[in-house]
Amino acid sequence: GAVVSQHPSWVICKSGTSVKIECRSLDFQATTMFWYRQFPKQSLMLMATSNEGSKATYEQGVEKDKFLINHASLTLSTLTVTSAHPEDSSFYICSASYSAEAFFGQGTRLTVV
Amino acid sequence: AQSVSQHNHHVILSEAASLELGCNYSYGGTVNLFWYVQYPGQHLQLLLKYFSGDPLVKGIKGFEAEFIKSKFSFNLRKPSVQWSDTAEYFCASANSGYALNFGKGTSLLVTP
Repeated sequence: GAVVSQHPSWVICKSGTSVKIECRSLDFQATTMFWYRQFPKQSLMLMATSNEGSKATYEQGVEKDKFLINHASLTLSTLTVTSAHPEDSSFYICSASYSAEAFFGQGTRLTVV
Repeated sequence: AQSVSQHNHHVILSEAASLELGCNYSYGGTVNLFWYVQYPGQHLQLLLKYFSGDPLVKGIKGFEAEFIKSKFSFNLRKPSVQWSDTAEYFCASANSGYALNFGKGTSLLVTP
């Protein structure tokens, strides 16, 4: 099957700094990728849809200026958490669709201290 | 808005027991339904999906699910679980594209 890779798998950062998370489709091209967030013991919540070559589409309640998404190529989408705060600590997962199936990255555990 | 609910949050079974995990969806129109599994430390992996056609869907690793439109349900079943089935299971729906609405997940522990 298709492979989606996320980097880093985990990151710890200081409050006020920015963190970039990469999502790559390794063996296929993805014009659309999705970013999810998962709080402990809760479901994955869709944050935004990343579109190659155009602006991302954000879900209601997600701050687009805080969660910057860039999809500059058909194999790479990045999520930058700007001016991170402890409440941004969470598990972030990306996905990309290929052949009628969504494939997920392994997720990134972000801890803001 | 479309939503998915999973009834069982934690399930503990002995090996060889039968499994059924409940999933209900709220959207009444065309809906695509999925079950994903996440083994400890691994990616989310698709178990099975339903788009249309035969409401009884066979997936990988011996799992199956039945789409019952009248009950808005898509329950996951396996006749005999193994220790290796210990994982987190997520039901999800999508009405267009591949932006998924996930349930809260069910943590399954299979004891030897």
